[in-house]
Amino acid sequence: DTEVTQTPKHLVMGMTNKKSLKCEQHMGHRAMYWYKQKAKKPPELMFVYSYEKLSINESVPSRFSPECPNSSLLNLHLHALQPEDSALYLCASSQEGGGGGETQYFGPGTRLLVL
Amino acid sequence: AQSVAQPEDQVNVAEGNPLTVKCTYSVSGNPYLFWYVQYPNRGLQFLLKYITGDNLVKGSYGFEAEFNKSQTSFHLKKPSALVSDSALYFCAVRATTDSWGKFQFGAGTQVVVTP
Repeated sequence: DTEVTQTPKHLVMGMTNKKSLKCEQHMGHRAMYWYKQKAKKPPELMFVYSYEKLSINESVPSRFSPECPNSSLLNLHLHALQPEDSALYLCASSQEGGGGGETQYFGPGTRLLVL
Repeated sequence: AQSVAQPEDQVNVAEGNPLTVKCTYSVSGNPYLFWYVQYPNRGLQFLLKYITGDNLVKGSYGFEAEFNKSQTSFHLKKPSALVSDSALYFCAVRATTDSWGKFQFGAGTQVVVTP
């Protein structure tokens, strides 16, 4: 089973709201990722967790706060977002997070609209 | 530094005709090369990858890709396109010297298959 699930599918929030995106995988993977994708553009890496520790933070604004409660779950907490943060947010997972020939498996994404 | 080029923003093909989506890359060292497909409002789906060995890689849904080291290319091909192949295709590269999982994605190629 190569499935990564994400909730919610769609989210509309105001600039003063606090919300969270959730991601789950049951493939036994030890690395999980958050990406941001604008329409018709490639995904941009935001965060990487490997063995539940934050490995990579691609200089993302502090209004985005990741959390990895365990190796199967990944959250992205959102606070005081800007309209330009509206995008498709993708979660992915991979076996180890060590790069090389490792495949990343993506979830369906959460479509976020910030008003 | 590593980079990926997908020279065509869009490829148009009639159903039943061969489909080719081009990708060239630049990395230090040997590359790991991937193809992903994205249907509207969905996440990225893994199609195939090249790690080492046979230059012709077969993947999901009848797609294949040929690794050409001298031309630094990894073009995606399908002998007979289907309307359902209409989607956004991303090529991605990761260098063998990369110690963690970051992909370098191409800009993407929109494939339109007409009946």
